Amino acid sequence: DSGVTQTPKHLITATGQRVTLRCSPRSGDLSVYWYQQSLDQGLQFLIQYYNGEERAKGNILERFSAQQFPDLHSELNLSSLELGDSALYFCASSAPSGRADTQYFGPGTRLTVL
Amino acid sequence: GQSLEQPSEVTAVEGAIVQINCTYQTSGFYGLSWYQQHDGGAPTFLSYNALDGLEETGRFSSFLSRSDSYGYLLLQELQMKDSASYFCAVRAAGGGNKLTFGTGTQLKVEL
Repeated sequence: DSGVTQTPKHLITATGQRVTLRCSPRSGDLSVYWYQQSLDQGLQFLIQYYNGEERAKGNILERFSAQQFPDLHSELNLSSLELGDSALYFCASSAPSGRADTQYFGPGTRLTVL
Repeated sequence: GQSLEQPSEVTAVEGAIVQINCTYQTSGFYGLSWYQQHDGGAPTFLSYNALDGLEETGRFSSFLSRSDSYGYLLLQELQMKDSASYFCAVRAAGGGNKLTFGTGTQLKVEL
């Protein structure tokens, strides 16, 4: 157990819908990262927040957005869902004083778009 | 940008030693990390090399050669529970703290 929590574990929805994935980092961690893992694209970085502010952005679609709240939990919003958005979505966190290469991943949310 | 290539699959027998290679193309990075992921599970951190050379952590060792743009993960005394996917990753200089992951290697440990 990494200490990072994600909800829900599974999500099944239809094309065109909007969903919100939630993540709570390990106690004391200020950085939250979102990754997408699909069979054809592997593990892809989406976005990073540090203490409420966006810090880095990857190949995140405009239909996707994220935020980090004052209590440091983060939400990833996916809208106008397409079949190709079906994937595992992981959240990770890293310690503020530690090495950022050591990231602690949550159990993931498996999104299925039908 | 960065790209990291790994063999897609490696098979070895229990008790053996296996090496998983990672070749990369990147303009600059802080170090090379290795993560393990069991089927359907979360990636977990295994090892990190900031400098060239070998880092040992129990049964796992990792090596980096920046001049050769190459690294590897060495797993000794293989156990069935080591059957998993292994990813190398880099954190690029100037790219925030995002990790760019390799293509992943599925390790199958057989009796």
